[in-house]
Amino acid sequence: AQKITQTQPGMFVQEKEAVTLDCTYDTSDQSYGLFWYKQPSSGEMIFLIYQGSYDEQNATEGRYSLNFQKARKSANLVISASQLGDSAMYFCAMREVNTDKLIFGTGTRLQVFP
Amino acid sequence: EAQVTQNPRYLITVTGKKLTVTCSQNMNHEYMSWYRQDPGLGLRQIYYSMNVEVTDKGDVPEGYKVSRKEKRNFPLILESPSPNQTSLYFCASSLYPGGFGANVLTFGAGSRLTVL
Repeated sequence: AQKITQTQPGMFVQEKEAVTLDCTYDTSDQSYGLFWYKQPSSGEMIFLIYQGSYDEQNATEGRYSLNFQKARKSANLVISASQLGDSAMYFCAMREVNTDKLIFGTGTRLQVFP
Repeated sequence: EAQVTQNPRYLITVTGKKLTVTCSQNMNHEYMSWYRQDPGLGLRQIYYSMNVEVTDKGDVPEGYKVSRKEKRNFPLILESPSPNQTSLYFCASSLYPGGFGANVLTFGAGSRLTVL
């Protein structure tokens, strides 16, 4: 069965520093998509970045980049130059091919301090 | 503005009193889905719909019903709510089933339900 594992329940980072949020996944599919979502305290789910399993380059979106290591089945999110507004819950997810279901990890709570 | 709209955003109800959480999207998306979020469990899929009149169970469908009579709407029905259905519920949609890249799942703002 497909599974997403986020081993860091909480992370702290100082403003302007970079932080890496870990995500490992398990799937037997050859084709899959990996996503990161941000959930601020207001509760909404905000899409951040996507990586396809056949993409040869790591995805980047502004200050977000995805460190994709296919052989290790990891898809870590890197946030550069952290801002106070980055404080939120972050979820890694994988999209299942047949049902389009997004399978979520349990999330990492990031707190950025001044 | 392109969005997924859920109502109500907050609801406190009592055991057994039927309720419906509405979900509407204005993006002409084919695919719609409901998730529930519980602490320590992440988000889990309740039901999904690939297209109008096509729905199927997700991982935690017990106690819920859905219908997809028209493309834009996908209501979640709790026929006889119980306290274990207290949760944060999200409706989500994407342009089409399958595929990746631009086919991002867009979430509504969430509906926080408490069943006493």
